[in-house]
Amino acid sequence: EVQLVESGGGLVQPGGSLRLSCAASGFTFSSYAMHWVRQAPGKGLEYVSAISSNGGSTYYANSVKGRFTISRDNSKNTLYLQMGSLRAEDMAVYYCARDLNSYAFDIWGQGTMVTVSS
Amino acid sequence: EIVLTQSPATLSLSPGERATLSCRASQSVSSYLAWYQQKPGQAPRLLIYDASNRATGIPARFSGSGSGTDFTLTISSLEPEDFAVYYCQQRTFGQGTKLEIK
Repeated sequence: EVQLVESGGGLVQPGGSLRLSCAASGFTFSSYAMHWVRQAPGKGLEYVSAISSNGGSTYYANSVKGRFTISRDNSKNTLYLQMGSLRAEDMAVYYCARDLNSYAFDIWGQGTMVTVSS
Repeated sequence: EIVLTQSPATLSLSPGERATLSCRASQSVSSYLAWYQQKPGQAPRLLIYDASNRATGIPARFSGSGSGTDFTLTISSLEPEDFAVYYCQQRTFGQGTKLEIK
């Protein structure tokens, strides 16, 4: 079964750090670009970050640039999002997603919740 | 950064009716536009990619059209399970259209 499973969410204080993971299975992970998308409670979807299939190219939304780092380990079939200098506005469910074709995401994880609060 | 504007914000229809959802881009995105459906507590589901291609397993009542800056998602005859929030995307996402039961 093709699957993405996120982990690593939780409660963190403002200014703190957190690393999210996304474990892929059921497909050749190293062949696909991957993305992170977030959704604040009761709000719409917000694009966060992208990484190419070999990890050589990355992209960040302006809202997280300089604070978040996307990476991947193709030997472990795992995508990461290192989040730093966290703010209240970063509180959201974070989804990882597989890129089918030019920013069309055909496989999504179930999401992991990040809560930023003192 | 491309801004996607969806309309209407809310659409109230009855099962069996036709739904037409719009998405306008602030600049041309060629045909690189996707549509998603999201139900409460669930991850989004890809419906349409490259403006008009149905994703795997998506019923034929869903169709997409458009190119450049103006795009449309059409649901030909609404089923009860189609009432949800719909998003368009080209990297960034539109703000969503809530399709609710009238």
